[in-house]
Amino acid sequence: GEDVEQSLFLSVREGDSSVINCTYTDSSSTYLYWYKQEPGAGLQLLTYIFSNMDMKQDQRLTVLLNKKDKHLSLRIADTQTGDSAIYFCQSSRGKLIFGQGTELSVKP
Amino acid sequence: GAVVSQHPSWVICKSGTSVKIECRSLDFQATTMFWYRQFPKQSLMLMATSNEGSKATYEQGVEKDKFLINHASLTLSTLTVTSAHPEDSSFYICSARDDRGTSGRRSYNEQFFGPGTRLTVL
Repeated sequence: GEDVEQSLFLSVREGDSSVINCTYTDSSSTYLYWYKQEPGAGLQLLTYIFSNMDMKQDQRLTVLLNKKDKHLSLRIADTQTGDSAIYFCQSSRGKLIFGQGTELSVKP
Repeated sequence: GAVVSQHPSWVICKSGTSVKIECRSLDFQATTMFWYRQFPKQSLMLMATSNEGSKATYEQGVEKDKFLINHASLTLSTLTVTSAHPEDSSFYICSARDDRGTSGRRSYNEQFFGPGTRLTVL
């Protein structure tokens, strides 16, 4: 069946770049999304990429999509302590599949 | 961006009672609403998809008689956990989407998430 996988933890120092990776199996996904979830809260859409794009940049966020390898990444430049949260990738083609979430810890 | 609210934000109930959770789209009309369940340190699990005015579509393994979903209007969907038991304790999150082409939000199928409801069944 369809599956989305992420590494569970990432720890970086403040000011460094963070790269969160995601692999998916449904090659027909139209859009791929990145969400941020802070403790006890719902999900906030950070960015998305259309499946015919390779890269999308939005301020400190850069999304890279490798369709051949079905690999999606989110790079956060100049990571701040406020970026500490759980990040989910999601694929969609009708059905909405979330990855397990990557817990990002930013140390001062 | 569009706002989705959930009520209550947290609820504690006794085993055997029923609990209703509301999900409202505040500034847009949601043709589709989704209900998710999230256990601690885990991902969101889609429970069901509801379209306004029609019966919800439940994911495999989700009991439709236990988790009653009503999407009575374009701004409100409710999830009722009937005869709740401790294993139903979880974080329930709804999301809403406007699938109509004129809204502008359909261009990338964006869902807007509610803040979640923490259910604890004693």
